[in-house]
Amino acid sequence: EDQVTQSPEALRLQEGESSSLNCSYTVSGLRGLFWYRQDPGKGPEFLFTLYSAGEEKEKERLKATLTKKESFLHITAPKPEDSATYLCAVQAITGGFKTIFGAGTRLFVKA
Amino acid sequence: KAGVTQTPRYLIKTRGQQVTLSCSPISGHRSVSWYQQTPGQGLQFLFEYFSETQRNKGNFPGRFSGRQFSNSRSEMNVSTLELGDSALYLCASSITSALTFRGADTQYFGPGTRLTVL
Repeated sequence: EDQVTQSPEALRLQEGESSSLNCSYTVSGLRGLFWYRQDPGKGPEFLFTLYSAGEEKEKERLKATLTKKESFLHITAPKPEDSATYLCAVQAITGGFKTIFGAGTRLFVKA
Repeated sequence: KAGVTQTPRYLIKTRGQQVTLSCSPISGHRSVSWYQQTPGQGLQFLFEYFSETQRNKGNFPGRFSGRQFSNSRSEMNVSTLELGDSALYLCASSITSALTFRGADTQYFGPGTRLTVL
């Protein structure tokens, strides 16, 4: 069964303290892996799509990487405004374009 | 380009009532998916519509239904509301064309409809 597991559930950082969020996935064949950011009470905001192992994408302080079994979202020198829940999701080759989401990592950045 | 819009943004209903939520996708997007989000369960997939046909369905009871119109706009209906239906309902749209880049179909979300059942 296709599955997505994110860790840790919550992460507390000081401003400027870099860290990484993990997304482990199990799919029969990967179409793509997605990262979203979600603020409380709002819809998820698209960040990145990764398609194959070895791929990397960057946006401001965020960098997403992909291996055959997991993806990492690296946050460099975070600021308080980076505080949010970060969601990882996958689309498998089987099952059409159905998207499976992880439970998310809640990130808190303290000034 | 306008994003995904959802109406209404907030709803308060009582048990036993029914509710209809609306979603307008990004222009040119042909697929619309619906999700239920609660603090305890995270994002749960309800169903997906493409070209007016339900293409995928999650594990929700038959009280939850949806449809898609020829202009790709979609509605979701919940009948006989229960207290546990209180949640943020999210709609997401994607292109899903034969030219979708490398075969993955990125979804873009609307702001959601907050449903409270009393």
